Parts: sequence; C-alpha cells; structure tokens
Amino acid sequence: QQQVKQSPQSLIVQKGGISIINCAYENTAFDYFPWYQQFPGKGPALLIAIRPDVSEKKEGRFTISFNKSAKQFSLHIMDSQPGDSATYFCAASSGSNYQLIWGAGTKLIIKP
Amino acid sequence: NAGVTQTPKFQVLKTGQSMTLQCAQDMNHEYMSWYRQDPGMGLRLIHYSVGAGITDQGEVPNGYNVSRSTTEDFPLRLLSAAPSQTSVYFCASRGAGANYGYTFGSGTRLTVV
Repeated sequence: QQQVKQSPQSLIVQKGGISIINCAYENTAFDYFPWYQQFPGKGPALLIAIRPDVSEKKEGRFTISFNKSAKQFSLHIMDSQPGDSATYFCAASSGSNYQLIWGAGTKLIIKP
Repeated sequence: NAGVTQTPKFQVLKTGQSMTLQCAQDMNHEYMSWYRQDPGMGLRLIHYSVGAGITDQGEVPNGYNVSRSTTEDFPLRLLSAAPSQTSVYFCASRGAGANYGYTFGSGTRLTVV
C-alpha cells in the first residue's frame, strides 16, 4: 500500500513532442505528489508538485495531471527538448510525514 | 551558495574498510536523509533524521550508522564495507512545512572492491 508505481521505465520522444510519465499509488492518505528531475552525475531536483485538491498544475512546459479517483498522476512535458533528457522520479507523502515514497524512475531521451 | 554539500565525490574502498560520508546543509533544515541509488532501483532510504539528536532507520539501514549532533551535519558511516554497498549515495534535506521540497547533494559515488 506504500508503493508508488511508475511507468514507463524508459521513454524516447522526438524533439517537439509530448513526453508523458505515469504514476499510480494505493495509499489514499497521500496528499503531496512531487516530481523530481535528475541529470547524470547530479542529485534529483524538485521539478513540480501537486496536492490532491487540484486536478492539474502547470509550470511552463511541465504539467502534472492528477486523478484522485483513479489514484494516478502523470507528468506531461510539452514541446520536449533535448535538454529535458534526464531521469524523472515521481513521489508521494502524507500529512506531516517528511518521508517520500519514490517511484522507480523513468529515463527520458529526447531525440533531436 | 546555500545547499547540501557532500564529500567526497568519489571513493574506492576495500572490503572490510570503514569510512564516513559527510553531508552538511546551511539552510537550517530540520529533516535530513541518506539515500542510495542503484541502477533500476530508484532511491532507497537508508537513514533519516527529523532534528538534532534524533535519527531513525529507513528501508535499507543494515551496514550503515548515522548521528545528528548538529542541525547542519548528518554523516553516514559504513562500518565494514562490502561490495553490495557499491552505489551512489545522496544526502537530502527538507525544511518544515507542507510545501517544502527536498534539496539533494550532488552525490558520492562509492566503489567497494
């Protein structure tokens, strides 16, 4: 029940296309859903996050879509660029619990 | 620059050796944690701390010790290195409050031979 399942494991998208990464969870107590971006040789960095009181959050080319009834959330990268090539992690946490439950990661490659 | 500083960046150990990975943050964050990252396995929590003097185990604590004597520092000790501990180690911190994200260090790549 504590797991966050992330798919796909890897993704190749043409430059200018839309990249979509999906995550699913079981624990209905989760109330914070961040996405992290990690470049090779670097630590993960917070990209965008959402709480379940909204169904969508957009920051530039990055959008989180949240479906509370389906217990799913996804990251959409519009107009994908080669510089977006990285590993993306979804995560979830609940209440005042500091700990994040992490997805396994998606390696995204944007082809020029 | 404010952030999380990890040292060393690279380390090679022989089986059975011990060492300490250093982590320091200058953001006055309460929460600090250590993760290991292995190919295809994402981030796994080793130990964490919710404040000075308070530590607890994460998902994969065996073979590692931590202490938190100050808010700023959270070292990770490998007691007797094993090849299975070959990994990339990340330290992360987070401030109090619901909307704070984690700040990660740049990692330590450890090889145990």
